[in-house]
Amino acid sequence: GAVVSQHPSRVICKSGTSVKIECRSLDFQATTMFWYRQFPKQSLMLMATSNEGSKATYEQGVEKDKFLINHASLTLSTLTVTSAHPEDSSFYICSATRQGAKNIQYFGAGTRLSVL
Amino acid sequence: DAKTTQPPSMDCAEGRAANLPCNHSTISGNEYVYWYRQIHSQGPQYIIHGLKNNETNEMASLIITEDRKSSTLILPHATLRDTAVYYCIVRAVNFGKGTSLLVTP
Repeated sequence: GAVVSQHPSRVICKSGTSVKIECRSLDFQATTMFWYRQFPKQSLMLMATSNEGSKATYEQGVEKDKFLINHASLTLSTLTVTSAHPEDSSFYICSATRQGAKNIQYFGAGTRLSVL
Repeated sequence: DAKTTQPPSMDCAEGRAANLPCNHSTISGNEYVYWYRQIHSQGPQYIIHGLKNNETNEMASLIITEDRKSSTLILPHATLRDTAVYYCIVRAVNFGKGTSLLVTP
């Protein structure tokens, strides 16, 4: 159990376009979902925390107008990178926690974004 | 949030036990210790967690010192597929740099 699906796994886009990444908890209802970004040879950096039906909480330095997070249901959160630029190229990873599971995070496989 | 300190890298021979240490000297009484690992270009995978007692599951064992200021993740019989970056985190969602474990034949 506790499977998190992230889609797409890889996306290449032109500078200035927007990209949407989906994160779904397949076999449980996620109390909270998290979005991370990881640059090559670096650790995961938390971008934002989202709860169903409420606004996401962004970490300091993360532009909420650029990285739009929608958490419309207990099983789906989306991250939209608006007006993407080459410096937004990174590995984006989502995770979810479920009730009663001691805040264990279950991670998606990640999305490799390349902005040309 | 409590911080963790891990060695940047470790080597282990295949079939031997891999013991990965983590210091979390500022941990609070109700904070859990979590271990995850990340194989290259994949999302992290949960391994194990604990509060004060030692824990074991099908993947690993977790030994937490009595004062809870440090812990050790033990992979009893390391395989080549255990080569990954191992993260020890305390309650919070912020990952440090982890330990890059290389299992060699």
